[in-house]
This record gives sequence, structure tokens and C-alpha cells, in this order.
Amino acid sequence: QSALTQPASVSGSPGQSITISCTGTIYDIGTYDYVSWHQQLPDRAPKVLIYDVSDRPSGVSNRFSGSKSGNTASLTISGLQADDEGDYYCSSYISTNTIGVFGTGTKVTVL
Amino acid sequence: QITLRESGPALVKPTETLTLTCTFSGFSLDNTGMGVGVGWIRQPPGKALEWLALIYWDDDKRFSPSLESRLSITKDSSRNQVVLMMTNMDPADTATYYCVHRRGFTIFFWGQGTLVTVAS
Repeated sequence: QSALTQPASVSGSPGQSITISCTGTIYDIGTYDYVSWHQQLPDRAPKVLIYDVSDRPSGVSNRFSGSKSGNTASLTISGLQADDEGDYYCSSYISTNTIGVFGTGTKVTVL
Repeated sequence: QITLRESGPALVKPTETLTLTCTFSGFSLDNTGMGVGVGWIRQPPGKALEWLALIYWDDDKRFSPSLESRLSITKDSSRNQVVLMMTNMDPADTATYYCVHRRGFTIFFWGQGTLVTVAS
């Protein structure tokens, strides 16, 4: 199955806000509100930040927020910090298969 | 507290079958855990995440369409384990393999991952 499309890299200065996009189709993001975002810090396993488009699991900082418009979901990181550096992946339910699909991944750099 | 831990060989030879075991705690994969599944995801070095397989509490199984012919997944609810088998391993299958807990359509917990290298 085709992966969801994310920008390869996004950067920002400490304290700034950045937004990562995740573009899919009507078969996934455009129709279903089952979008999640996962953070993978260097040499670590991923960790869920956002689920069901905009919900945060307990313990996740409110600096992370999610939204969706049409076929594109977005993750916004506010008050960017040095330890936010890492890779970020979106994921969605997709009706054309029965297991799900990930995004291509975005590397976040704090300048 | 939910935890998952992967175990299996770090090195396999081309054409061999890979067997990985996920041992989990903090939840049940039986009829007390409706909507819960345990799955496997892999990540080749420097590349993106890729779904492999998923098994639900009711033994319903899902597979990546591109790899389905090579995969099998089973569970032992009494031992809190899920086993993934992948046949005909190739160097392109070199990756970190993660075991995950999924509820609904969301992965809420990840194992630490295990690196599997395919080489002769």
C-alpha cells in the first residue's frame, strides 16, 4: 500500500511552533478520523503523541496538537525544545487494506 | 502498566524462516480485552515504519498485503505471547522489528524493538 506523504524535514528555533503535514487520500485521512502521530527520538522506539486526529494520551505534553482538513492531517509542536529533535510519523486507518498505513516520516531539527 | 518485549535471533541467513516472540504484560489478549490487538511493525535502517501483521483478541488476523504470503502470526493468551514467523528471509528484510499494542485503530504502546540482520 502507498505510504502517507510527509515532508522529509522540518526545522525551527527553540520556542517557535512548527507544523508537520501528512497527506493521504479519501481512502484514509479524508474519510476516517483514525489518524495518529508517533515520535521517535534518536535510537529509541516510537511513542504515540496523538490519536484519533487530535486526542492526546495521558502524559503527553499539550505542546503537541493534531488536526485534519480534507485529506491532510497535521501535527503542531508549540514551544519547540531541543529534546523534540527526532523523527515523526503519522499513521491512519485505510479502507483498502485491513491493517493500516504509516507516513514517510519527518525529521525535526531544532536550530 | 503495559509493556511489550521482543525476542528472537539477531542474525538469520537468506532463505531461512524468522521467528520472533512478543511477550507482553499489563493487558490480556483474550475475551477480556475486546478491541485489543498485538501487532508487528518493522523499520529498515534509516527508513520508515512498515506494518507487518496484527492479531486481535478474538484470533482475527490481519497482514500487510505485500508480505502476506510470507507471514504468519499466532497468540498464546495463557502465556501472554504473540509469535510472528516470516519465511524466505532476504537481506532486504534487515530491520528493527517492533511489537505493538493496538486498541481500536491506534498503537498505544511499543516494544523496544529487536534488530534482525539477514546475511550469510
